[in-house]
Amino acid sequence: QVQLAESGGGVVQPGGSLRLSCAASGFTFSSFGMHWVRQARGKGLEWVAFIRNDGGKEYYGDSVKGRFTISRDNSKNTLYLQMDSLRAEDTAVYYCARDFRGVIPAACDFGGQGTLVTVSS
Amino acid sequence: AIQLTQSPSSLSASVGDRVTITCRASQGISTDLAWYQHKPGKAPKLLIYEASSLKSGVPSGFSGSGSGTHFTLTISSLQPEDFAIYYCQQFYSYPFTFGPGTKVDIK
Repeated sequence: QVQLAESGGGVVQPGGSLRLSCAASGFTFSSFGMHWVRQARGKGLEWVAFIRNDGGKEYYGDSVKGRFTISRDNSKNTLYLQMDSLRAEDTAVYYCARDFRGVIPAACDFGGQGTLVTVSS
Repeated sequence: AIQLTQSPSSLSASVGDRVTITCRASQGISTDLAWYQHKPGKAPKLLIYEASSLKSGVPSGFSGSGSGTHFTLTISSLQPEDFAIYYCQQFYSYPFTFGPGTKVDIK
């Protein structure tokens, strides 16, 4: 069973930085691509980023490209999201998700409760 | 980026009703589409992948169909636990956009 535990959320000022972590268990982490997805209060789901299972390629949503960096440490079964130049519109609950298929993305398989990021002065 | 639209945006239905939600893509995406159920305060739940494949453990009352630009999610007989928001998401090309969601509530 996919178990994911997001952490690192909190309150940060506009222009600030934050790093989210996602601890994975219950599956072979190094065999699966991983996603970050977010949901602002009262809004729908927004796909944020994807990283291949070997960390060799990353992809980003248009609203975060150039500001956010997704990475992973397969030795620690952990996924990260480095968020820089944060804006008020980045305020959201952030979820990590395992890709359902593995290497070639097919769906997000969620397993955690998310972590809340609030960007406010 | 590929745009996804969903219809209706919301619907009211009764337990036992058959419910159909439509997702349309701005360009052809083959069958690279997933459906999710999302309840407040919980993580989204994957229901369907590759347009019509039911994830193991998901009740058989859920089904998906479609290809190209037109997709549907059907709940054959609505159960009390099915009241939620449903999203489609495309995996044909980056960025992997979501539809705006369809809220299913109790009539």
